[in-house]
Amino acid sequence: KAGVTQTPRYLIKTRGQQVTLSCSPISGHRSVSWYQQTPGQGLQFLFEYFSETQRNKGNFPGRFSGRQFSNSRSEMNVSTLELGDSALYLCASSFPDDEQYFGPGTRLTVT
Amino acid sequence: GESVGLHLPTLSVQEGDNSIINCAYSNSASDYFIWYKQESGKGPQFIIDIRSNMDKRQGQRVTVLLNKTVKHLSLQIAATQPGDSAVYFCAEKYSGYGNKLVFGAGTILRVKS
Repeated sequence: KAGVTQTPRYLIKTRGQQVTLSCSPISGHRSVSWYQQTPGQGLQFLFEYFSETQRNKGNFPGRFSGRQFSNSRSEMNVSTLELGDSALYLCASSFPDDEQYFGPGTRLTVT
Repeated sequence: GESVGLHLPTLSVQEGDNSIINCAYSNSASDYFIWYKQESGKGPQFIIDIRSNMDKRQGQRVTVLLNKTVKHLSLQIAATQPGDSAVYFCAEKYSGYGNKLVFGAGTILRVKS
């Protein structure tokens, strides 16, 4: 069974731009969660989608948003990028709860 | 954020020795706990989990112990190998919050050959 895939793997953007990251969960998994990982703050929960509905949200500004499609694929969007948004963005999938499997992440650099 | 600023502790062990990695969790309502291993350039990899109605669970070369009284979790790795070198994270979850995981800061495990 294929694992969680994330695209792109690496991204460089300029302050003020916006970015969209994509996550394809393991086949059959209906829950997708997003996390931000930085050296200073560690792994922090962004939000979770289940059956196309946001089920939970972390403490991030409204510039961070996401959505989930009917095939469970998910995207997250960050608008008006700031330097502090540079991070590894990870998504994790599960069916529907408990064991979460992470993708390799998207490394976002904001310059 | 919910993770503290990081200065990761490091555990150095000799190949073949047993390793014990500790974690203090924050929410007494958490009912599910997971250990992840993260190697450089990769996403966290699931190792083992335990529910709050258990005190101990064993996997292949790994054992997780849960002490709810003091909100403490530990991961024991038997016969540590060089391939075990990585950052290890504990994570807690409260089922009332869906799949939201709250991660610990992490521990670096270095295995000396």
